[in-house]
Amino acid sequence: GQNIDQPTEMTATEGAIVQINCTYQTSGFNGLFWYQQHAGEAPTFLSYNVLDGLEEKGRFSSFLSRSKGYSYLLLKELQMKDSASYLCAVRLYGNNRLAFGKGNQVVVIP
Amino acid sequence: DVKVTQSSRYLVKRTGEKVFLECVQDMDHENMFWYRQDPGLGLRLIYFSYDVKMKEKGDIPEGYSVSREKKERFSLILESASTNQTSMYLCASSTPLNGSYDEQFFGPGTRLTVL
Repeated sequence: GQNIDQPTEMTATEGAIVQINCTYQTSGFNGLFWYQQHAGEAPTFLSYNVLDGLEEKGRFSSFLSRSKGYSYLLLKELQMKDSASYLCAVRLYGNNRLAFGKGNQVVVIP
Repeated sequence: DVKVTQSSRYLVKRTGEKVFLECVQDMDHENMFWYRQDPGLGLRLIYFSYDVKMKEKGDIPEGYSVSREKKERFSLILESASTNQTSMYLCASSTPLNGSYDEQFFGPGTRLTVL
């Protein structure tokens, strides 16, 4: 089976930095995705990591350590519109399907 | 822009009814997926397809079937709807993994209520 863990919820202040962690134990690993999902909307792609290290994309960065089975998404200069659920998904080796974590709800307060 | 559309945003059905959820993508993607999303459980894969007339079971296929007669269309069928199938259903599509990455593009979702 696949085990992908994320904290359930966190609150952060506008303008701050927040780090969203994801740990995984899966039968094979072939990349990790982060998606953002606003309430009542579809998930949208944020970032992708397949090699160890940091990928930066504007205010968002994502880090991967394959040996530790660990990733994080870093959101800088938080804005109110960043209030959303952030989903970690592992692409499984073999059939390349995704296994999702339960999502981390981030609430941004003024 | 990739567009994935689903036939209904909201649907209410009765227990025992046969339910069809349709998904269409306009970017010539080979891969299509059906998920359900429930509070506290996250996104769970029901079925997926990597080609026309091809289907693979995901993690929770029981009570569901799928049809992929055309590349752009992937249908999810609930043969006899039950109350525990009340959920948000999300369709997604992607290109095959080929050098870069194969992000999935999601439709807006269908919130199905079974009474």
